[in-house]
Amino acid sequence: DAGVIQSPRHEVTEMGQEVTLRCKPISGHDYLFWYRQTMMRGLELLIYFNNNVPIDDSGMPEDRFSAKMPNASFSTLKIQPSEPRDSAVYFCASSLAPSPGQFFGPGTRLTVL
Amino acid sequence: GQNIDQPTEMTATEGAIVQINCTYQTSGFNGLFWYQQHAGEAPTFLSYNVLDGLEEKGRFSSFLSRSKGYSYLLLKELQMKDSASYLCAVRLYNNNDMRFGAGTRLTVKP
Repeated sequence: DAGVIQSPRHEVTEMGQEVTLRCKPISGHDYLFWYRQTMMRGLELLIYFNNNVPIDDSGMPEDRFSAKMPNASFSTLKIQPSEPRDSAVYFCASSLAPSPGQFFGPGTRLTVL
Repeated sequence: GQNIDQPTEMTATEGAIVQINCTYQTSGFNGLFWYQQHAGEAPTFLSYNVLDGLEEKGRFSSFLSRSKGYSYLLLKELQMKDSASYLCAVRLYNNNDMRFGAGTRLTVKP
């Protein structure tokens, strides 16, 4: 079975551009998480969904960030407009409650120039 | 806020034993997790404790004391491939909402 799939793996863009990150969770998992990882701040939870419904978006840094999960097999994280300080690795993870542990995708390395 | 603390860096010798500590103060607790993350890769699940005591899984063991808000990950018979960051994470409630520590970067030397 395929793991969590993320695309693109690398993204380089210029400040002010819109960026869309994509995630396909493991089939059957009912939780989906978006994280951001930087050297300075470590792994931060941005938002998570349960059965496609956003449960907690308190980690989303500001209104420039938005996330959607239109169906059980697809989610997007959008940054508009992007800024250099958004440069980070963005991970998507999924899980099946109540089983412990989350399964992480390979991440998207975002560089905003 | 949620506080999860672990040492920033540790160094150990191949074949030795190393213990990575984690202390936490969180609004809820429904399990403590350890993840391994090699440079440039995604975190991978190592272990899970929800009750006090020691959980052993091969060369890796994890311990939990809920009353002390304390856990450790014990790595035995260290190998060079164990050089990685080790992340401590707390599941806050019964919904897989997890918060991560900053990670401990372990370097294994010959």
